[in-house]
Amino acid sequence: KAGVTQTPRYLIKTRGQQVTLSCSPISGHRSVSWYQQTPGQGLQFLFEYFSETQRNKGNFPGRFSGRQFSNSRSEMNVSTLELGDSALYLCASSMSGQGSTDTQYFGPGTRLTVL
Amino acid sequence: AQSVTQLGSHVSVSEGALVLLRCNYSSSVPPYLFWYVQYPNQGLQLLLKYTSAATLVKGINGFEAEFKKSETSFHLTKPSAHMSDAAEYFCAVSKAQKLVFGQGTRLTINP
Repeated sequence: KAGVTQTPRYLIKTRGQQVTLSCSPISGHRSVSWYQQTPGQGLQFLFEYFSETQRNKGNFPGRFSGRQFSNSRSEMNVSTLELGDSALYLCASSMSGQGSTDTQYFGPGTRLTVL
Repeated sequence: AQSVTQLGSHVSVSEGALVLLRCNYSSSVPPYLFWYVQYPNQGLQLLLKYTSAATLVKGINGFEAEFKKSETSFHLTKPSAHMSDAAEYFCAVSKAQKLVFGQGTRLTINP
């Protein structure tokens, strides 16, 4: 089975621009979560989608948004980019996300640099 | 609130020595705990997870972790370090569909 894939792997943007990141989950997985990883804040939860619905959201401003499609693929969007948005954005998928024991499998991440 | 604390942001051991990475959790209910490893420029790979079935959990690459409720700990160990173990290790607790991570421990292996 193919793993979680994320595109693009690297991205350079300037302040004020917007960006869209894509994530394809493992086949059969219906839950997709997004995390931001920075040296200062570590790994932080952004949001989680299941069956095209956002079920859980972290403490991030409204500039961060996402969506999930009927094939479980997910995108996240960051509008009006700030320097502090430079980070590794990780996507993770799980079978159903039901219950805390459901294992999340991570993709390789998208490294976003904001200049 | 559920959270985890990893003691030691950097750990250095010699090749062949015991690896011990510490993780303490804070939870008002039985936790579900995970250890992930991250190699440079890669995502997170699951090493092992605790789901209350057994207190000693064996994972991949020779790693194991023991859940100790009395100490609220879930430390990761490996009897003999290998150069390929050099990476960053994250302990995490699961809350609903969200993982809450510790700050990570960077493991360096000295030849």
